Amino acid sequence: GQNIDQPTEMTATEGAIVQINCTYQTSGFNGLFWYQQHAGEAPTFLSYNVLDGLEEKGRFSSFLSRSKGYSYLLLKELQMKDSASYLCAVMDSNYQLIWGAGTKLIIKP
Amino acid sequence: GAVVSQHPSRVICKSGTSVKIECRSLDFQATTMFWYRQFPKQSLMLMATSNEGSKATYEQGVEKDKFLINHASLTLSTLTVTSAHPEDSSFYICSASLGTELYEQYFGPGTRLTVT
Repeated sequence: GQNIDQPTEMTATEGAIVQINCTYQTSGFNGLFWYQQHAGEAPTFLSYNVLDGLEEKGRFSSFLSRSKGYSYLLLKELQMKDSASYLCAVMDSNYQLIWGAGTKLIIKP
Repeated sequence: GAVVSQHPSRVICKSGTSVKIECRSLDFQATTMFWYRQFPKQSLMLMATSNEGSKATYEQGVEKDKFLINHASLTLSTLTVTSAHPEDSSFYICSASLGTELYEQYFGPGTRLTVT
């Protein structure tokens, strides 16, 4: 079966760095996505990785290792507004998005 | 960037009635639109994929006669929840794809449906 695993909840301090991991097992691979979702709102796109390596975009970076079925989202200089759920999703061989359950990130002052 | 709207943002209806949710791509033509459902503290669940002018493709376990999807134009898709029941209460989210790159999915703000 297809499976996306990510931690349920993480806590970090304002100004610090946090890494949210995601491991996956899917039928084929056509890219991995990270989305941010604030409570009661729809997800917003953060990043897309299809090749191995690190993609940096401002305070957020995303890393992919296809051989390990592993990705992480790195958030630097954390701000209170970063408190949200972070969803990892993989596009399989049928170009369907397989969603993880999300990691709730709590930022403390 | 690409903007997707949904209407209404919140709706409360009585059990047995039908509710229509609209999803519009405001500044682009969406060849494909997706409908998701999300229960509290759970991930997004794809319900169906719709392409303009053709019948929607429903995911396994989603009743196509209960969740009617119409994608009449390149900018509008509607989801009608027929004979709604309390267990249909959920957060319904649509997304739209430009079609040029498969990963370009833009999400609407979601519709909170409560069935009493």
